[in-house]
Amino acid sequence: GQSLEQPSEVTAVEGAIVQINCTYQTSGFYGLSWYQQHDGGAPTFLSYNGLDGLEETGRFSSFLSRSDSYGYLLLQELQMKDSASYFCAVRDNTNAGKSTFGDGTTLTVKP
Amino acid sequence: DSGVTQTPKHLITATGQRVTLRCSPRSGDLSVYWYQQSLDQGLQFLIHYYNGEERAKGNILERFSAQQFPDLHSELNLSSLELGDSALYFCASGPSISTDTQYFGPGTRLTVL
Repeated sequence: GQSLEQPSEVTAVEGAIVQINCTYQTSGFYGLSWYQQHDGGAPTFLSYNGLDGLEETGRFSSFLSRSDSYGYLLLQELQMKDSASYFCAVRDNTNAGKSTFGDGTTLTVKP
Repeated sequence: DSGVTQTPKHLITATGQRVTLRCSPRSGDLSVYWYQQSLDQGLQFLIHYYNGEERAKGNILERFSAQQFPDLHSELNLSSLELGDSALYFCASGPSISTDTQYFGPGTRLTVL
């Protein structure tokens, strides 16, 4: 099975950098994805790491280390609109259609 | 706008009733996933269909069922509803049988009274 752990809440100020960690226990997975969800809205895809290392997309970067069973999402130059929930997710490589999401991290950006 | 549509947006019903939630995937996407999100909870995977066939199941209750039709839209049927079924139900679509990028619809908020 798959389980992912994320901090439940993170608070930071505008302009700062914040890192949201995701540790996982899996029986096998393809890669680590990250999604953003604003309150009451639909999750939107942010980033994917299929290989170890850093992936950068604008202000957002994501990192994966399979040997450490660990990944993170890095948000730079925080803006108020970044206040949202962030979910890490994996897709089971023994059952490709099955995705498991973490419980999410609520990021609050303060002025 | 992800291109995924879900209807209805809101649904209020009583315990014991049956409802049907509908999802139309993005044009060209063959995979449809269903998720349940209870208040302040994560996304619980329910079921995955690809090109009309069931491909993966999560912790979906026996009272719940789904199907994907030839035109690729999908329906999630929830029966014998209980108070605890109140949640946001999302569908997501993807282009292939195995995709790490899923495009989510706006969700259906189900309230069971």
